[in-house]
Amino acid sequence: DTAVSQTPKYLVTQMGNDKSIKCEQNLGHDTMYWYKQDSKKFLKIMFSYNNKELIINETVPNRFSPKSPDKAHLNLHINSLELGDSAVYFCASSPRVDSPLHFGNGTRLTVT
Amino acid sequence: EDQVTQSPEALRLQEGESSSLNCSYTVSGLRGLFWYRQDPGKGPEFLFTLYSAGEEKEKERLKATLTKKESFLHITAPKPEDSATYLCAVEQGGSEKLVFGKGTKLTVNP
Repeated sequence: DTAVSQTPKYLVTQMGNDKSIKCEQNLGHDTMYWYKQDSKKFLKIMFSYNNKELIINETVPNRFSPKSPDKAHLNLHINSLELGDSAVYFCASSPRVDSPLHFGNGTRLTVT
Repeated sequence: EDQVTQSPEALRLQEGESSSLNCSYTVSGLRGLFWYRQDPGKGPEFLFTLYSAGEEKEKERLKATLTKKESFLHITAPKPEDSATYLCAVEQGGSEKLVFGKGTKLTVNP
């Protein structure tokens, strides 16, 4: 019944590794997002896809690469992880770009 | 320069003690202002959208209002289960993205 689900919930890894976070939504929404919440709880948009097309790409290092195989999935791949990448990453979806967001419960990434 | 500023950063209330949270914004051409609630270890949960000055929305003990410069989230007779971080976000016309404030952490003691 979970509307927006992310896996894994926790991810602990070492610097330099490559990791992926998966997101799936079963709400039939056209738009999906990745947000980053830092240690100060500040939530900032990273990427947005509408119908599998990238529409927002904030100033994010190109080590971060989103991939949307279909409307219901948006994955985030991170290369060469750095200490500063440690944060909680939230996936979200919405029916349209100006509609309220439905968030997943986040993936806490810790880079050691 | 912060486009969305929330105050206070933290607020502690006794059960039944009404208060207000503030969200001030500097974006021009506001398309919408959103309020979310976030519980520890969870994603933000949508509460309200306000589109124009003078608009008000209510849900249980919460009431959101909007002016041309700020929004208030009024909490009437809060209960401990209202404890959470309340986030405000604005969407500027043409930007297609939400800009969030840093949130107000509300604690309601029984």
